Amino acid sequence: GQQLNQSPQSMFIQEGEDVSMNCTSSSIFNTWLWYKQDPGEGPVLLIALYKAGELTSNGRLTAQFGITRKDSFLNISASIPSDVGIYFCAGQLGNQFYFGTGTSLTVIP
Amino acid sequence: GAVVSQHPSRVICKSGTSVKIECRSLDFQATTMFWYRQFPKQSLMLMATSNEGSKATYEQGVEKDKFLINHASLTLSTLTVTSAHPEDSSFYICSASGGLYGYTFGSGTRLTVV
Repeated sequence: GQQLNQSPQSMFIQEGEDVSMNCTSSSIFNTWLWYKQDPGEGPVLLIALYKAGELTSNGRLTAQFGITRKDSFLNISASIPSDVGIYFCAGQLGNQFYFGTGTSLTVIP
Repeated sequence: GAVVSQHPSRVICKSGTSVKIECRSLDFQATTMFWYRQFPKQSLMLMATSNEGSKATYEQGVEKDKFLINHASLTLSTLTVTSAHPEDSSFYICSASGGLYGYTFGSGTRLTVV
């Protein structure tokens, strides 16, 4: 199936730094979602975006649905050790989900 | 919130045997369930989409005779890996459509075929 381009592939940051990752696609989506996956677990939804241009926050996380509907970004402010994990974007079109390639985040205390 | 229960969380089986993985929506009815496969440090790859009471729709390259999917009720879908081989070892995750949060993922099943 289709996969979305997600970057960066991995990040190593110091605790307290801000993080930014993005996702792009050649297709237009109706919904963009961001998930976090801990090792050995299923993905957990962080933020859902339903409208082009929408900017939504969830605590230290902020995500935006790109105007073109072909991209989205996720920012994490003031990172903490428990932010460690793999972050996936997902675009939804109809009843289908397409996942990004993932961003592995390591936070160094 | 919506909860999807996936069992077992880990399974080790001998080559040639079959393994069944269950995915249950605990507090909502899931008309559609999805099965994904994930290799280490990689993203989720959709294997198939199952709708309650009908045959599953498989993604290109996924063998329907090897990965049998049954969605007999609005709260249960099963994935059976038949005649498993070491190359089938992977992390399998289900998700269910429904509830308040759209799509909810199970906690995954780590399959190891020896």
